[in-house]
Amino acid sequence: DSGVTQTPKHLITATGQRVTLRCSPRSGDLSVYWYQQSLDQGLQFLIQYYNGEERAKGNILERFSAQQFPDLHSELNLSSLELGDSALYFCASSVVVSSTDTQYFGPGTRLTVL
Amino acid sequence: DQQVKQNSPSLSVQEGRISILNCDYTNSMFDYFLWYKKYPAEGPTFLISISSIKDKNEDGRFTVFLNKSAKHLSLHIVPSQPGDSAVYFCAASASLTTGTASKLTFGTGTRLQVTL
Repeated sequence: DSGVTQTPKHLITATGQRVTLRCSPRSGDLSVYWYQQSLDQGLQFLIQYYNGEERAKGNILERFSAQQFPDLHSELNLSSLELGDSALYFCASSVVVSSTDTQYFGPGTRLTVL
Repeated sequence: DQQVKQNSPSLSVQEGRISILNCDYTNSMFDYFLWYKKYPAEGPTFLISISSIKDKNEDGRFTVFLNKSAKHLSLHIVPSQPGDSAVYFCAASASLTTGTASKLTFGTGTRLQVTL
């Protein structure tokens, strides 16, 4: 158990809908990262937050947005869903004290868009 | 553009023998490299890392080798055990250059099966 929690574990929805994925980082970690893993692909970095502020952005679609709240949990919002958005979405957290801080991953949310 | 490549989608090794997983990268800005292990229905778990100032890092049965000139790293598992069966992801970042923990760029993974 990494200490990073993600809800829900599974999500099935229809095209055009909007969903929210939730992540709670490990106690003491200030930074949250979101990654997407599509079928047979590596994890693709989406976005990073540090202490409530956006720190870095990857290949995140405009239909996707995220935020980190004062209690440090984060939410990833996916809207106008398309079939191609079906994937595993992972959240990771780290302390961000040094440049080699380990990112600890949650179990992921499996999103299926029908 | 796949900046981190794991060209072997799968590898089968007998228990007790050495497992060697390979990874190549193209971005010369990468200076910190990690291996993660992933079991089904779980998130990736950190295994071992190496910074670009080293060419070898060892942790128990796991050793990572880095060849900067070839832009190649490998993970050696000796001896391999059935519990090592999982998908192994190579990841890289430019953390040392940026001075802060930054995004990871992952390979597509190698599925290791350790047989009895």
